[in-house]
Amino acid sequence: EVQLLESGGGLVQPGGSLRLSCAASGFTFSNYAMNWVRQAPGKGLEWVSVISGSGRTTYYADSVKGRFTISRDNSKNTLYLQMNSLRADDTAVYYCAKGDIVIVPATIDSWGQGTLVTVSS
Amino acid sequence: DVVMTQSPLSLPVTLGQPASISCSSSQSLVYSDGNTYLNWFQQRPGQSPRRLIYKVSNRDSGVPDRFSGSGSGTDFTLKISRVEAEDVGVYYCMQGTYWPPNTFGQGTKLEIK
Repeated sequence: EVQLLESGGGLVQPGGSLRLSCAASGFTFSNYAMNWVRQAPGKGLEWVSVISGSGRTTYYADSVKGRFTISRDNSKNTLYLQMNSLRADDTAVYYCAKGDIVIVPATIDSWGQGTLVTVSS
Repeated sequence: DVVMTQSPLSLPVTLGQPASISCSSSQSLVYSDGNTYLNWFQQRPGQSPRRLIYKVSNRDSGVPDRFSGSGSGTDFTLKISRVEAEDVGVYYCMQGTYWPPNTFGQGTKLEIK
């Protein structure tokens, strides 16, 4: 059974930084693309970033490009999201989400429980 | 970017009655391999999303057969043959053909009338 467990969320001031982690189990982690998807309070789903299984290829939504960095440690079965220069509109639940063997074409077949990031002074 | 448009955005349904949600894309979702990468997700209140349908009409393991997906090209539909109380939540379509960026529909909130 696929399990994805996010951690690292919390309250941070505007302009601050935070690193999210996602511990994965139940599948061969290094074989699959992994995503971060966020959901602002009361809003819909917004894709944030994806990384290939090897970690060599990454993509970002325009809204986070240059501020967020996705990475993975396949030896630890862990996905990361380094978030810098945080803004109030980054406030959201951040989900770790398992993709397919390839980045494109894409799907998401499993989701974590999410971790809440609140950006506020 | 491909824009995904769902309708309706709110769907009150009587228990035991059918429900239908539409999703249209601004471009055809047929990929170069001939497949169409259109997914449907369900998000129950207070829960994470879960995938119900992939590649237009393939149900995920454990998804009740009252859920079905159909469509082609730019127009897609999620149908629930007989709505049950546990179906309450928000439903999203998501295209995977033109990625990144991935694009989700706005979501359709299903509630019991």
